[in-house]
Formats: sequence, C-alpha cells, structure tokens
Amino acid sequence: QVQLVQSGAEVKKPGSSVKVSCKASLDTLRRFSISWLRQAPGQGLEWVGRINPNNGGTNYGQNFQGRVTMTRDTSINTAYMELSGLTSDDTAVYYCARVISTSSSRHADFWGQGTLVTVSS
Amino acid sequence: IQMTQSPSSLSASVGDRVTMTCRASQSVSSYLNWYQQKTGKAPKLLIYGASSLQSGVPSRFSGSGSGRDFTLTISNLQPEDFATYYCQQTYGAPFTFGHGTHLDIK
Repeated sequence: QVQLVQSGAEVKKPGSSVKVSCKASLDTLRRFSISWLRQAPGQGLEWVGRINPNNGGTNYGQNFQGRVTMTRDTSINTAYMELSGLTSDDTAVYYCARVISTSSSRHADFWGQGTLVTVSS
Repeated sequence: IQMTQSPSSLSASVGDRVTMTCRASQSVSSYLNWYQQKTGKAPKLLIYGASSLQSGVPSRFSGSGSGRDFTLTISNLQPEDFATYYCQQTYGAPFTFGHGTHLDIK
C-alpha cells in the first residue's frame, strides 16, 4: 500500500522559510514524480511544482519561481519542499502527491495527509 | 492554461443525476483529471485521462470530453457524494485547477 506521510504543522514569521517533508513508502521517489500542491483556507487547490524521478529535475509554478526549492533523498524515500520569503498569503495546507504518468494522462493518485503552514507575526 | 468550472455550486437530492463542466482556455487533449474533496481531507482522484475511472471509485462517477470541454457526471447521488469537485489539467505546466464545484444537499 502506497503511503505518503508529511511532517507536522508549522508556524512561521513573515520573511522566513519553511521546509515540509513527505516520506514515501517503498520505491516511490525513484519511480514516480512527486507533486506539491497547496490550499489556502477556504480556497481552491494550487499546483506548486513537481520533482521528477529520473534525475530529480524540477518544474515550479510561476507564482513560486525563485521562492521554492524541491529536493529529495532517495536513500530515505523522502521528498522536501522549501518555500522562502513567506507572507501571510502563504498560509495554507501543503500536500504532496504521487503522480502517475502514461501516454495519455498524468494524475495524482495518492496524497499525503497535508501540512498546515501558518505565517503570522 | 485557465480552467473554468461551472456551476460554482449545485444543490441536488440523493438519487439525482448531476453534471458539472470544466472548460480549458486551450486544448489539453485528454490530460484532464477530476478530484473530490471533503472538508479537512486531501483530494481524492476520481477520473483521470478525462474518462478513466480510478480504481476503487464507484461506477456512478463518469467523465467525458477532450480538447477544451469536459464533463463529470454522477448518477444516483449518494449521501457520501456531497463534496467539492475540482478539475485539473496536466497537459502543460503549471498544472492548473478549476475553482471547484460545491455539491450540497437540496
């Protein structure tokens, strides 16, 4: 059974950084992309970016370029998302998700439980 | 790529058949997914590749469409189906979502 277990809730000051982890079961990180997404309180879903399985290459959403860094440590099956320059607009639940890619689809079939990041002075 | 969902909210009764739509600002081929989300929970994949039913999802859920226009249909609504539904395109990064359709009990 695939599992993605995320790190716990964080409270951060404006201007600081946060690093969220996502521990995957089995060989997930070597075989699948991991996407990161977020959801601000009462709002919809927003794609933050992804880290690919082959060489750890990344793609980031335009809203996050220059502020987000996604990495992974395959030896411990853990992916990381670090977001810097935090503002109150970054207050959200952050999710990691496993992405399946085929010739005609790309979809997130397993999700972590979510990590609440609160940015407050 | 902008994704527009309609309606933004929908009221229906148990046993009803409901349809919601998602339109992309440009063609996304069949790279269109539908997710269900309940309050305080992570989204759950229902449909991928526009029309493929995710394993374990009841057959009352179905998806159709290609290019720019897509539809999610739920037949014989069950109490557990009242939730918010999101479409997402994964044709071109950033993989954008619609704003959601909130389905509640009439």
